[in-house]
Amino acid sequence: QQQVKQSPQSLIVQKGGISIINCAYENTAFDYFPWYQQFPGKGPALLIAIRPDVSEKKEGRFTISFNKSAKQFSLHIMDSQPGDSATYFCAATGRGSARQLTFGSGTQLTVLP
Amino acid sequence: GAGVSQTPSNKVTEKGKYVELRCDPISGHTALYWYRQSLGQGPEFLIYFQGTGAADDSGLPNDRFFAVRPEGSVSTLKIQRTERGDSAVYLCASSLNPGTLHYNEQFFGPGTRLTVL
Repeated sequence: QQQVKQSPQSLIVQKGGISIINCAYENTAFDYFPWYQQFPGKGPALLIAIRPDVSEKKEGRFTISFNKSAKQFSLHIMDSQPGDSATYFCAATGRGSARQLTFGSGTQLTVLP
Repeated sequence: GAGVSQTPSNKVTEKGKYVELRCDPISGHTALYWYRQSLGQGPEFLIYFQGTGAADDSGLPNDRFFAVRPEGSVSTLKIQRTERGDSAVYLCASSLNPGTLHYNEQFFGPGTRLTVL
């Protein structure tokens, strides 16, 4: 059962454009929603994260928008740069001792120069 | 400081063989996780250690998979009688002690790419 659904699977934007990646979750026990960035041959690295008590979080060019009632959240990358080209994963974790992450299926972002 | 390291970076084996994958977590991190990432997919949770004990092994796909962390630091993921479907990147992550009410960032290693021929 896929608990976090992510779209699109791939995304191509021009340099300077806005990249938008969407995720939806099912488990209402989730209470922390991080986004990870992964370059080829590397492990995922935390990019930005949000808790459901806020609707938006911004860090530099990266913004998470969160809609608790719809159980959806999205990543916006402003002024996208070629160096942002990577695979992005949304994730979620819920209350419990393990705090393991449940990942979406990933979005391969290509930013054209 | 040093991040999470994993060895080997690549492992090619034949169907039916036994393999061991090693993870060195960040010093001082008591929590250690193993995930498996199939091609074109997000990582999937396998097992979680708090200290030396496997606190949650609900993600292990079957009894061919086993992991240990005998001294609460280095962990080894062991796969018996490997199958072609086991081919994936195996990721290790570590964090400070996670709390039930809050989340501590998990830091991932570069992974071990396992290929079963």
